[in-house]
Amino acid sequence: DGGITQSPKYLFRKEGQNVTLSCEQNLNHDAMYWYRQDPGQGLRLIYYSQIVNDFQKGDIAEGYSVSREKKESFPLTVTSAQKNPTAFYLCASTPITGPGDYGYTFGSGTRLTVV
Amino acid sequence: AQSVAQPEDQVNVAEGNPLTVKCTYSVSGNPYLFWYVQYPNRGLQFLLKYITGDNLVKGSYGFEAEFNKSQTSFHLKKPSALVSDSALYFCAVRALNSGNTPLVFGKGTRLSVIA
Repeated sequence: DGGITQSPKYLFRKEGQNVTLSCEQNLNHDAMYWYRQDPGQGLRLIYYSQIVNDFQKGDIAEGYSVSREKKESFPLTVTSAQKNPTAFYLCASTPITGPGDYGYTFGSGTRLTVV
Repeated sequence: AQSVAQPEDQVNVAEGNPLTVKCTYSVSGNPYLFWYVQYPNRGLQFLLKYITGDNLVKGSYGFEAEFNKSQTSFHLKKPSALVSDSALYFCAVRALNSGNTPLVFGKGTRLSVIA
Protein backbone atom coordinates (compact mmCIF):
# COMPACT_ATOMS: atom_id res chain seq x y z
CA ASP A 1 0.00 0.00 0.00
CA GLY A 2 1.19 3.50 -0.75
CA GLY A 3 1.66 5.95 2.06
CA ILE A 4 3.98 7.92 4.29
CA THR A 5 5.97 6.25 7.02
CA GLN A 6 7.31 8.22 9.94
CA SER A 7 9.74 6.67 12.39
CA PRO A 8 10.18 6.28 15.21
CA LYS A 9 6.72 6.72 16.70
CA TYR A 10 8.20 7.87 20.00
CA LEU A 11 11.61 9.50 20.50
CA PHE A 12 13.37 10.73 23.59
CA ARG A 13 16.11 13.34 23.41
CA LYS A 14 18.60 14.33 26.03
CA GLU A 15 19.60 17.94 26.50
CA GLY A 16 22.21 19.02 23.95
CA GLN A 17 21.61 16.06 21.66
CA ASN A 18 20.70 16.11 17.97
CA VAL A 19 18.04 13.67 16.83
CA THR A 20 16.74 12.80 13.36
CA LEU A 21 13.14 11.99 12.50
CA SER A 22 12.57 9.86 9.44
CA CYS A 23 9.89 10.44 6.78
CA GLU A 24 9.59 8.14 3.77
CA GLN A 25 6.86 8.10 1.11
CA ASN A 26 6.20 5.67 -1.74
CA LEU A 27 3.49 7.77 -3.37
CA ASN A 28 5.83 9.36 -5.91
CA HIS A 29 4.83 12.74 -4.51
CA ASP A 30 6.93 15.76 -5.43
CA ALA A 31 6.50 17.95 -2.37
CA MET A 32 7.11 17.07 1.26
CA TYR A 33 6.50 19.05 4.44
CA TRP A 34 7.34 19.00 8.13
CA TYR A 35 4.88 20.44 10.65
CA ARG A 36 5.12 20.75 14.38
CA GLN A 37 1.97 20.33 16.48
CA ASP A 38 1.64 21.71 20.00
CA PRO A 39 -1.59 21.68 22.03
CA GLY A 40 -3.72 24.70 21.21
CA GLN A 41 -1.36 25.95 18.51
CA GLY A 42 -2.39 23.87 15.56
CA LEU A 43 0.16 22.92 12.92
CA ARG A 44 3.15 25.15 12.29
CA LEU A 45 5.35 24.71 9.23
CA ILE A 46 9.02 23.92 9.85
CA TYR A 47 10.44 23.16 6.39
CA TYR A 48 9.17 22.08 3.01
CA SER A 49 10.63 20.76 -0.21
CA GLN A 50 9.09 20.75 -3.66
CA ILE A 51 11.92 19.08 -5.51
CA VAL A 52 14.96 16.96 -4.77
CA ASN A 53 17.98 18.88 -3.46
CA ASP A 54 15.89 21.96 -2.71
CA PHE A 55 13.98 23.04 0.39
CA GLN A 56 12.60 26.20 1.99
CA LYS A 57 12.23 27.39 5.56
CA GLY A 58 8.80 27.57 7.07
CA ASP A 59 7.58 29.72 9.93
CA ILE A 60 9.57 28.04 12.71
CA ALA A 61 12.75 26.69 11.06
CA GLU A 62 15.18 27.83 13.76
CA GLY A 63 16.82 24.87 15.50
CA TYR A 64 15.86 22.41 12.75
CA SER A 65 17.54 21.16 9.58
CA VAL A 66 16.43 18.98 6.66
CA SER A 67 17.76 17.31 3.54
CA ARG A 68 16.11 16.05 0.36
CA GLU A 69 18.61 13.81 -1.38
CA LYS A 70 15.95 11.42 -2.67
CA LYS A 71 12.40 12.08 -3.81
CA GLU A 72 10.95 9.60 -1.33
CA SER A 73 12.83 10.77 1.76
CA PHE A 74 12.74 14.01 3.79
CA PRO A 75 14.42 13.57 7.20
CA LEU A 76 14.19 16.24 9.87
CA THR A 77 17.00 16.86 12.36
CA VAL A 78 16.16 18.54 15.62
CA THR A 79 19.36 20.19 16.76
CA SER A 80 20.51 21.23 20.21
CA ALA A 81 19.73 24.81 19.18
CA GLN A 82 16.01 24.03 19.38
CA LYS A 83 15.31 24.93 22.99
CA ASN A 84 11.81 23.54 23.27
CA PRO A 85 11.62 20.50 21.00
CA THR A 86 8.99 18.52 22.89
CA ALA A 87 6.10 18.23 20.42
CA PHE A 88 4.31 16.00 17.93
CA TYR A 89 5.95 16.14 14.50
CA LEU A 90 4.01 15.46 11.33
CA CYS A 91 5.33 14.81 7.85
CA ALA A 92 3.13 15.29 4.79
CA SER A 93 3.45 14.96 1.04
CA THR A 94 1.56 15.93 -2.06
CA PRO A 95 1.86 15.68 -5.82
CA ILE A 96 2.23 18.97 -7.57
CA THR A 97 -0.45 18.47 -10.18
CA GLY A 98 -1.74 22.01 -10.50
CA PRO A 99 -2.20 25.30 -8.68
CA GLY A 100 -3.59 23.94 -5.46
CA ASP A 101 -6.00 21.23 -6.50
CA TYR A 102 -4.46 18.67 -4.22
CA GLY A 103 -4.55 17.62 -0.63
CA TYR A 104 -1.84 16.45 1.69
CA THR A 105 -1.20 12.88 2.77
CA PHE A 106 0.09 12.78 6.34
CA GLY A 107 2.24 10.30 8.20
CA SER A 108 1.23 9.02 11.63
CA GLY A 109 3.62 11.34 13.43
CA THR A 110 6.58 11.18 15.80
CA ARG A 111 6.22 12.28 19.40
CA LEU A 112 9.49 13.78 20.59
CA THR A 113 10.12 14.29 24.30
CA VAL A 114 13.11 15.91 25.97
CA VAL A 115 14.31 14.00 29.03
CA ALA B 1 -0.57 36.66 3.97
CA GLN B 2 -2.84 33.70 4.38
CA SER B 3 -4.54 32.88 7.66
CA VAL B 4 -7.24 30.66 9.10
CA ALA B 5 -9.30 31.18 12.22
CA GLN B 6 -11.20 28.48 14.04
CA PRO B 7 -12.98 30.48 16.73
CA GLU B 8 -14.00 27.55 18.91
CA ASP B 9 -11.43 25.43 20.74
CA GLN B 10 -14.12 22.93 21.70
CA VAL B 11 -17.55 22.00 20.35
CA ASN B 12 -19.86 19.69 22.26
CA VAL B 13 -22.89 18.10 20.64
CA ALA B 14 -25.30 15.32 21.51
CA GLU B 15 -25.31 12.22 19.36
CA GLY B 16 -27.90 12.50 16.60
CA ASN B 17 -27.91 16.30 16.62
CA PRO B 18 -26.47 18.38 13.78
CA LEU B 19 -22.95 19.70 14.23
CA THR B 20 -21.10 22.73 12.91
CA VAL B 21 -17.40 23.48 13.22
CA LYS B 22 -16.57 27.02 12.18
CA CYS B 23 -13.75 28.28 9.99
CA THR B 24 -12.99 31.71 8.54
CA TYR B 25 -10.08 32.53 6.31
CA SER B 26 -8.07 35.36 4.85
CA VAL B 27 -6.25 35.18 1.52
CA SER B 28 -5.45 37.46 -1.38
CA GLY B 29 -7.74 36.39 -4.19
CA ASN B 30 -9.66 33.15 -4.37
CA PRO B 31 -9.00 30.39 -1.86
CA TYR B 32 -8.48 26.67 -1.88
CA LEU B 33 -9.99 25.34 1.35
CA PHE B 34 -9.62 22.02 3.12
CA TRP B 35 -10.89 20.18 6.20
CA TYR B 36 -8.86 17.48 7.94
CA VAL B 37 -9.61 15.29 10.96
CA GLN B 38 -7.13 13.96 13.50
CA TYR B 39 -7.65 11.09 15.92
CA PRO B 40 -5.41 10.76 19.02
CA ASN B 41 -1.72 10.21 18.25
CA ARG B 42 -2.38 9.94 14.54
CA GLY B 43 -1.73 12.01 11.45
CA LEU B 44 -4.36 14.14 9.78
CA GLN B 45 -6.89 12.58 7.42
CA PHE B 46 -8.43 14.46 4.51
CA LEU B 47 -12.19 15.09 4.77
CA LEU B 48 -13.07 17.45 1.94
CA LYS B 49 -11.92 20.39 -0.13
CA TYR B 50 -13.27 23.39 -1.99
CA ILE B 51 -11.54 24.42 -5.18
CA THR B 52 -14.20 25.91 -7.44
CA GLY B 53 -17.81 25.24 -8.30
CA ASP B 54 -20.70 24.52 -5.96
CA ASN B 55 -20.52 26.25 -2.62
CA LEU B 56 -21.68 23.10 -0.81
CA VAL B 57 -18.98 20.47 -0.78
CA LYS B 58 -19.60 16.88 0.30
CA GLY B 59 -16.85 14.79 1.79
CA SER B 60 -16.03 11.65 3.73
CA TYR B 61 -18.09 10.14 6.57
CA GLY B 62 -21.17 12.25 5.81
CA PHE B 63 -19.46 15.59 6.37
CA GLU B 64 -20.08 18.61 4.19
CA ALA B 65 -18.88 22.19 4.17
CA GLU B 66 -20.36 25.40 2.86
CA PHE B 67 -18.17 27.98 1.19
CA ASN B 68 -19.36 31.55 1.71
CA LYS B 69 -17.24 34.06 -0.14
CA SER B 70 -18.89 37.18 1.27
CA GLN B 71 -18.34 35.99 4.83
CA THR B 72 -14.98 34.34 4.03
CA SER B 73 -16.15 31.23 5.81
CA PHE B 74 -15.97 27.49 5.23
CA HIS B 75 -17.92 25.86 8.05
CA LEU B 76 -17.91 22.08 8.44
CA LYS B 77 -21.29 20.45 9.01
CA LYS B 78 -22.92 17.10 9.54
CA PRO B 79 -26.68 16.53 9.84
CA SER B 80 -26.47 13.85 12.54
CA ALA B 81 -23.41 13.48 14.78
CA LEU B 82 -21.96 10.14 15.84
CA VAL B 83 -19.86 9.42 18.92
CA SER B 84 -17.15 8.22 16.53
CA ASP B 85 -16.97 11.75 15.06
CA SER B 86 -15.24 12.89 18.26
CA ALA B 87 -11.82 14.12 17.15
CA LEU B 88 -9.74 17.21 16.38
CA TYR B 89 -10.70 19.06 13.22
CA PHE B 90 -8.47 21.38 11.21
CA CYS B 91 -9.35 23.89 8.52
CA ALA B 92 -6.61 24.85 6.02
CA VAL B 93 -6.26 27.35 3.20
CA ARG B 94 -4.02 28.45 0.41
CA ALA B 95 -4.58 31.06 -2.26
CA LEU B 96 -5.32 30.33 -5.88
CA ASN B 97 -2.41 31.29 -8.09
CA SER B 98 0.00 31.39 -5.18
CA GLY B 99 2.24 28.84 -6.79
CA ASN B 100 2.76 25.78 -4.64
CA THR B 101 2.93 27.55 -1.31
CA PRO B 102 2.15 25.34 1.67
CA LEU B 103 -1.25 25.09 3.29
CA VAL B 104 -1.87 27.25 6.33
CA PHE B 105 -3.76 25.45 9.09
CA GLY B 106 -6.03 26.74 11.81
CA LYS B 107 -5.42 25.88 15.45
CA GLY B 108 -7.99 23.11 15.43
CA THR B 109 -11.37 22.52 17.04
CA ARG B 110 -11.97 19.57 19.32
CA LEU B 111 -15.35 17.99 18.67
CA SER B 112 -16.92 15.94 21.43
CA VAL B 113 -20.07 13.98 20.62
CA ILE B 114 -21.89 12.80 23.70
CA ALA B 115 -24.03 9.69 23.68
